[in-house]
Amino acid sequence: DIQMTQSPSFLSASVGDRVTINCKASQNINKYLNWYQQKLGEAPKRLIYNTNNLQTGIPSRFSGSGSGTDYTLTISSLQPEDFATYFCLQHNSLLTFGSGTKLEIK
Amino acid sequence: EVQLVESGGGLVQPGRSLKLSCLASGFTFSNYGMNWIRQAPGKGLEWVASISSSSSYIYYADTVKGRFTISRDNAKNTLYLQMTSLRSEDTALYYCARRTHSGPYWGQGVMVTVSS
Repeated sequence: DIQMTQSPSFLSASVGDRVTINCKASQNINKYLNWYQQKLGEAPKRLIYNTNNLQTGIPSRFSGSGSGTDYTLTISSLQPEDFATYFCLQHNSLLTFGSGTKLEIK
Repeated sequence: EVQLVESGGGLVQPGRSLKLSCLASGFTFSNYGMNWIRQAPGKGLEWVASISSSSSYIYYADTVKGRFTISRDNAKNTLYLQMTSLRSEDTALYYCARRTHSGPYWGQGVMVTVSS
C-alpha cells in the first residue's frame, strides 16, 4: 500500500502570503496526485489534478508541481477565502489521502 | 450529467449491519472501477474499498477487511457496500466514487452513525 505523508499539519499565514504544502509518497505515484480544499461542513473541492492541472473555475493563484514521490501545492497570494483545510490524494494505486493541512489566519 | 446517489445510511447499533447503495447515472457504469470513501466527523478522508468494472478485482482498507463487502450490479447501475460488525469508529459520511483518469469523482455522500 502507498502511504502519503503531508506537511505541515498546521500553517498560520497572512493574506497576501505565498504558502506551500507538501505531500510525499512512499513510492513513485507517476504524477497521479490531486489536491483538494475543504471548508467546515462542505464537501471537498478539487483544486488540482494529476500534479499540475488546474480544475476548471479554480483561481490561478493555486498551482501544483512535483514528480516521483514529492509533490507541492502552492498558493501564490493568499486570499481570505483560502483559509481552509487542504489535502492530497494519490490515485496511482488504489487511493491514499494525505492527513491534511489546516491553513489558519495569522 | 454524471450522478452518483448514495442511500441506505442511518443510525445503527454497534455490532449490527447496514447496506449502502449507490445508484449511478449519466455514464456507462459497467466500464468504470468504483470506490467507497469515508470521512469521519472532524477527520480526514479514508479510502474504504475498490471494485473493478467487472468485479474481478476487489480491495479493502485494513480497517474494514473482513467486515465490509463491496459489490456491484452492472445491470442495475448500482454499487453496494455491505457493512457488518459495525463499530463506533465506522461513523462517517460515506461517498461512492467513480474511478477516472483525473482521480475519483464522488457523490454527495450518505451518513452512517454507529451508536447505542
